Amino acid sequence: QLQLQESGPGLVKPSETLPLTCTVSGGSIRSSTYYWGWIRQPPGRGLEWIGTIYYSGSTYYNPSLKSRVTISVDTSKNQFSLKLTSVTAADTAMYYCARHIYSNIYYAWFDPWGQGTLVTVSS
Amino acid sequence: EIVMTQSPATLSVSPGERATLSCRASQSVSSNLAWYQQKPGQAPRLLIYGASTRATGIPARFSGSGSGTEFTLTISSLQSEDFAVYYCQQYHNWLTFGGGTKVEIK
Repeated sequence: QLQLQESGPGLVKPSETLPLTCTVSGGSIRSSTYYWGWIRQPPGRGLEWIGTIYYSGSTYYNPSLKSRVTISVDTSKNQFSLKLTSVTAADTAMYYCARHIYSNIYYAWFDPWGQGTLVTVSS
Repeated sequence: EIVMTQSPATLSVSPGERATLSCRASQSVSSNLAWYQQKPGQAPRLLIYGASTRATGIPARFSGSGSGTEFTLTISSLQSEDFAVYYCQQYHNWLTFGGGTKVEIK
């Protein structure tokens, strides 16, 4: 059964870079069928897609965050990572990683999701 | 950006009753729509994709319908474990989520 687990600092200072890693277990990140994504959810609010990566390193970012986001992959560790630069309090959120299904030319739905990790931006 | 609007924001339903949740897209997304369930303190769980296809392991009481700009998630007979927040997500043009509908016990 595929499982994903986020890890990273729970607290990041304003203007600094938020680094998170997602470790995939129970399956290979090198699958030709799947992509891998990051989604976030500010406290008490809805969901926002951040970006997606393929094991080859190809990326696909939310245009609203693109200037601050880098997603990378380490196939040797079965991990992919997120870096979000110049963070502010508005970036405080639960951050989820998930398998991103590609279907009929669309980067489509997410399944399954990791349990999430809460990141607070505060000095 | 395609804006997804869910209604109502909160739906109060008694166990065993039917729940109907709506999701509207600001422009056509064809059938490129998914539904998720999120319980407190948990990650979202995929329920429906392709507007009407149930994900693996999802009970038959969950059904999705619609295409274009109007979509519906129906829970035919609410069980205690179904009280949660439900989100729709379009993947026709980039990816955006609705604001969610909370299904609470009446």
